[in-house]
Amino acid sequence: RKEVEQDPGPFNVPEGATVAFNCTYSNSASQSFFWYRQDCRKEPKLLMSVYSSGNEDGRFTAQLNRASQYISLLIRDSKLSDSATYLCVVKGYGGATNKLIFGTGTLLAVQP
Amino acid sequence: NAGVMQNPRHLVRRRGQEARLRCSPMKGHSHVYWYRQLPEEGLKFMVYLQKENIIDESGMPKERFSAEFPKEGPSILRIQQVVRGDSAAYFCASSSWVGAEAEGEKLFFGSGTQLSVL
Repeated sequence: RKEVEQDPGPFNVPEGATVAFNCTYSNSASQSFFWYRQDCRKEPKLLMSVYSSGNEDGRFTAQLNRASQYISLLIRDSKLSDSATYLCVVKGYGGATNKLIFGTGTLLAVQP
Repeated sequence: NAGVMQNPRHLVRRRGQEARLRCSPMKGHSHVYWYRQLPEEGLKFMVYLQKENIIDESGMPKERFSAEFPKEGPSILRIQQVVRGDSAAYFCASSSWVGAEAEGEKLFFGSGTQLSVL
């Protein structure tokens, strides 16, 4: 089983739609969770951290369910500029390592 | 406030040559990570370094790959005797420190080096 699993998509949605991405992780000891965004052939950029209480940043809402080892990202009122690959990221565990473990990403294509 | 700087952006090598990829972390950051992204795949962790120390190299291939982060100068990822399967985007990231604070957990990525092996 992969450490971080995501539906690869693609998700093709019209402008203005609401879209949700899901992610599961295998290690129950994982402590920190993030969503990153990667545009084609560019570097990943942090979109938001994910907390147990859930957090919202504008049109983006992230949720964490520790019991189910499940992370979600909700995008409301999709814009063309939201088209990208969304990476679910879990902080590695054990020792002093601070490495982040990336899912393979979910591709979002917002259509005009 | 310069971000993470990687060079070169594109590197072309013939099979059997050596590739050297450089990464300068953000100002104030002492932790460097290297990731590799194969075409149509996710980012795979390779190595985590602090100044003059390798902290975690669990993602590094056993042969031909090495990394360093000297006291002075950039971090170097070195690939000896490259093969076509080494063709990928190599991303470097940096962070401020390891700890419970949220800022220390965030990684900032460079623009990557695209390695092409002919």
